[in-house]
Amino acid sequence: AQSVTQLGSHVSVSEGALVLLRCNYSSSVPPYLFWYVQYPNQGLQLLLKYTTGATLVKGINGFEAEFKKSETSFHLTKPSAHMSDAAEYFCAVRENSGGSNYKLTFGKGTLLTVNP
Amino acid sequence: EADIYQTPRYLVIGTGKKITLECSQTMGHDKMYWYQQDPGMELHLIHYSYGVNSTEKGDLSSESTVSRIRTEHFPLTLESARPSHTSQYLCASSEWGDGSSNSPLHFGNGTRLTVT
Repeated sequence: AQSVTQLGSHVSVSEGALVLLRCNYSSSVPPYLFWYVQYPNQGLQLLLKYTTGATLVKGINGFEAEFKKSETSFHLTKPSAHMSDAAEYFCAVRENSGGSNYKLTFGKGTLLTVNP
Repeated sequence: EADIYQTPRYLVIGTGKKITLECSQTMGHDKMYWYQQDPGMELHLIHYSYGVNSTEKGDLSSESTVSRIRTEHFPLTLESARPSHTSQYLCASSEWGDGSSNSPLHFGNGTRLTVT
């Protein structure tokens, strides 16, 4: 079984500061990992994903995340926060077990607020 | 720009009423999903479909039902709404394939249901 833990349901940063949103996962097989962002009153949209290959992945809006197998982590970072980054961020995992398992397991989300 | 549409965006309805939440996508995706989202909680998969005439129960038990008569359409029905059904319902779709690198989930903007 797979699970996702997002540390901190609410993170607050100042504009221009580093953004760090934490995600740890458990999976019995190598995982596919995703970060989604949800702006108010909207659905989720894909921010970035890790499947295979390079462990540092870059996404939209200047975000990036690093897959660390030894730490079972996939933390999301952005060097300099912008007001428009205020949203809820969800980490998700899908087991890379082949077959037709398309189901994602999501974390509880982290609400990011950016202070001027 | 959304290629997956959910209606209505908001619905307030009395206990015992039958409701149908609509979801349509114009991307020709084979796989479609319904997730239930509550504040501070993980997104829970309640239904999914591999294609026309295929429907499966998700990880979270739900009293709702779904149908997939056309590729682009995946409505969710509650025969008799109850206050416990109050939640946000998100519809999503993805391409057929390995379900990961080339097949992220595309989400609609959701339907926020309140049952009084």
